[in-house]
Amino acid sequence: GESVGLHLPTLSVQEGDNSIINCAYSNSASDYFIWYKQESGKGPQFIIDIRSNMDKRQGQRVTVLLNKTVKHLSLQIAATQPGDSAVYFCAENRGTGANSKLTFGKGITLSVRP
Amino acid sequence: DAGVIQSPRHEVTEMGQEVTLRCKPISGHNSLFWYRQTMMRGLELLIYFNNNVPIDDSGMPEDRFSAKMPNASFSTLKIQPSEPRDSAVYFCASSGSGGVSGELFFGEGSRLTVL
Repeated sequence: GESVGLHLPTLSVQEGDNSIINCAYSNSASDYFIWYKQESGKGPQFIIDIRSNMDKRQGQRVTVLLNKTVKHLSLQIAATQPGDSAVYFCAENRGTGANSKLTFGKGITLSVRP
Repeated sequence: DAGVIQSPRHEVTEMGQEVTLRCKPISGHNSLFWYRQTMMRGLELLIYFNNNVPIDDSGMPEDRFSAKMPNASFSTLKIQPSEPRDSAVYFCASSGSGGVSGELFFGEGSRLTVL
């Protein structure tokens, strides 16, 4: 079936190290992908997005990589900080305009050790 | 700027009672989304509106759930009658891109507990 899922439920990293969060998707028709961060007691917050015509996009301390061949998406966080501790979701979008639909993965918890 | 505003933040009710969740999207945004979040199922899209018109309600679990958007600045999600399995955090999100190909701005959620 069509799904967006994450390989690992939790990830623990040392402060200052780089973090890599992975996501697999199964629908090759998906054309837009987003990473969201959700802190405890809050709603998801946009981090970075990438369209299917790109394979890499960089933001401030974050990089998203898209491998359409194997339907894989990853989020890289450089020099991970305690404030990065949260649940991270990948999401895929299918369709266009008013008929587009965003589907979220289950989420992975990132825990930063001091 | 005010973000998406949801109320109530927390609600505890008894099975069979009616629950109404409210959302005020960001001014100027023309798309509004209702999501439900549980540990088992993650974030599920229930329904979304574009220019106050429901576009896709295929995620609404059953007839006990209904959503309205009477104007561009207000939406409600109603559950009647509520059941314990409806316990979840319900998020409202808005977008100004005329669809989901763009950033969604989420509210802080309404945590519903049905006893």
